[in-house]
Amino acid sequence: SQELEQSPQSLIVQEGKNLTINCTSSKTLYGLYWYKQKYGEGLIFLMMLQKGGEEKSHEKITAKLDEKKQQSSLHITASQPSHAGIYLCGADRSNSGYALNFGKGTSLLVTP
Amino acid sequence: KAGVTQTPRYLIKTRGQQVTLSCSPISGHRSVSWYQQTPGQGLQFLFEYFSETQRNKGNFPGRFSGRQFSNSRSEMNVSTLELGDSALYLCASSLGMGNEQFFGPGTRLTVL
Repeated sequence: SQELEQSPQSLIVQEGKNLTINCTSSKTLYGLYWYKQKYGEGLIFLMMLQKGGEEKSHEKITAKLDEKKQQSSLHITASQPSHAGIYLCGADRSNSGYALNFGKGTSLLVTP
Repeated sequence: KAGVTQTPRYLIKTRGQQVTLSCSPISGHRSVSWYQQTPGQGLQFLFEYFSETQRNKGNFPGRFSGRQFSNSRSEMNVSTLELGDSALYLCASSLGMGNEQFFGPGTRLTVL
């Protein structure tokens, strides 16, 4: 089955710094989703990438999909305490758009 | 539009009991997926329903089952509970292929 590996597992950054989270798949990526989760709560949808080379941005968060490398990256510019949480990448298991495999997550803490 | 709702939010059961969790999708969404999240295994796909039919199933024992009603609401049942079933159970709904999944707040199940 498809495995998604996220790196780093955890990250502590100072407010205002930039950071990048990576997600690498063991199989071909049909679609890649980024979610954010506050501890013990539901997931908040951030971005969906479907084509190789696709790049999307929302506020200070940018995600990119490198289909050849079977990898996606999430970049946060000028981090703020509100960016703290667990970032999860999910990949479509069967090109159906309904069943996702997820990475183990990257825990982000932003210090003042 | 109201988001995905899950009931109950918290549940405590003992080993051997059974439990039913409920999920109401966003109005108009016909696809409902269920996920289990634990600290050790992360977020894992359980199953997905569309128009009352199970279309995708993850790698979980038969003790985990679900169903979807004609109004797209879905229930998940776990029989003969084990300690290892303690987890956050998340439900997500979607408009369809190529669209993102929206997650509910989850049901925190504790098995004693």
